[in-house]
Amino acid sequence: GEDVEQSLFLSVREGDSSVINCTYTDSSSTYLYWYKQEPGAGLQLLTYIFSNMDMKQDQRLTVLLNKKDKHLSLRIADTQTGDSAIYFCAESNGYSTLTFGKGTMLLVSP
Amino acid sequence: DGGITQSPKYLFRKEGQNVTLSCEQNLNHDAMYWYRQDPGQGLRLIYYSQIVNDFQKGDIAEGYSVSREKKESFPLTVTSAQKNPTAFYLCASTRGRESDEQYFGPGTRLTVT
Repeated sequence: GEDVEQSLFLSVREGDSSVINCTYTDSSSTYLYWYKQEPGAGLQLLTYIFSNMDMKQDQRLTVLLNKKDKHLSLRIADTQTGDSAIYFCAESNGYSTLTFGKGTMLLVSP
Repeated sequence: DGGITQSPKYLFRKEGQNVTLSCEQNLNHDAMYWYRQDPGQGLRLIYYSQIVNDFQKGDIAEGYSVSREKKESFPLTVTSAQKNPTAFYLCASTRGRESDEQYFGPGTRLTVT
């Protein structure tokens, strides 16, 4: 079945860049998503990338997709303490549901 | 303001009791979803509904039930058959197209003792 894997924890200093990685197994994935969850809250979509793209940039966020290796990454430039949260990678394969990874907790220290 | 509401934020129940979690959206979305979140487990899909009066089981439907009598409402009942009901429950909705964002509610934390 489909599987999405993420590292569980990342710690960076304020002002550094953060890179969160994700691998997926479903080669038919059409859209890949990054969601952010702050403590005790729901998820908020940060960005998504279509599978025929290899990069997408949106202000401080850069998404890189290596479709051959089924590897997705999210780079946050100039990371701020307000970026501390759990980040989820998710994939869609053309059906109406998403498969989520277990989430990467990003801790940004001053 | 358009959005998804879940109530209550915190819910406490005794073991053996059924409990219903509310999810309402005023986004005019066709599709609605229920997820369960446990620490270190990510989100797991319980049930989803793409249209009124129709719904499908997700990956962990056992011990749960849903209804979709109205487009804006998708309540989830956690029955006494659910072995480990204590969790954070998230509701989401989307227009139903693949590229569409899933909008999430704020979640309900259910504690069963």
